[in-house]
Amino acid sequence: GQNIDQPTEMTATEGAIVQINCTYQTSGFNGLFWYQQHAGEAPTFLSYNVLDGLEEKGRFSSFLSRSKGYSYLLLKELQMKDSASYLCAVRDWAGGYNKLIFGAGTRLAVHP
Amino acid sequence: SAVISQKPSRDICQRGTSLTIQCQVDSQVTMMFWYRQQPGQSLTLIATANQGSEATYESGFVIDKFPISRPNLTFSTLTVSNMSPEDSSIYLCSVGEGQGSVEAFFGQGTRLTVV
Repeated sequence: GQNIDQPTEMTATEGAIVQINCTYQTSGFNGLFWYQQHAGEAPTFLSYNVLDGLEEKGRFSSFLSRSKGYSYLLLKELQMKDSASYLCAVRDWAGGYNKLIFGAGTRLAVHP
Repeated sequence: SAVISQKPSRDICQRGTSLTIQCQVDSQVTMMFWYRQQPGQSLTLIATANQGSEATYESGFVIDKFPISRPNLTFSTLTVSNMSPEDSSIYLCSVGEGQGSVEAFFGQGTRLTVV
């Protein structure tokens, strides 16, 4: 079966660093995604990891360990606009095509 | 990057009726995906639509309730049939190209309220 776990809520202070963890179990792992979703809007793509290690993109970094079934999203220099839900999604290769399986999302609140 | 236009953006419907949601992509794509996002929850995959074949439904979703069309490589529709208040959700389409691609793009979503 497939299972993706991430914390439900987190809070952090403007200017700080926050790490959002995600653990997963899937049979046909073919990459891990992080999306940002503001209330009432569609998800927007943040990062993609398919090999072990750290991918850095500006203030956001994402890490993957396939052997541990673990990823994290690191947000630096937090801004108020970073208050949003962060969705961990695993791409699962099954039946001849990829599909994305989403975790429940982590609601991040950034306060002054 | 693909640009996805989804409509309607929102609708309020009477129970027992049906609503068809359209998804138009500005480039040809092999796979299109339909998701549901219930209030306060994450995205759940409803089905995968591949042009020229029947859609593949995930556990808990059936064709009679959510018929899907995929007439060409740039367009798909999802119909929510015989609606009940439990169908009130945001419905999103997404595009992907298969193993070599990154399914990074979503339509803006259709916010459906069933009364």
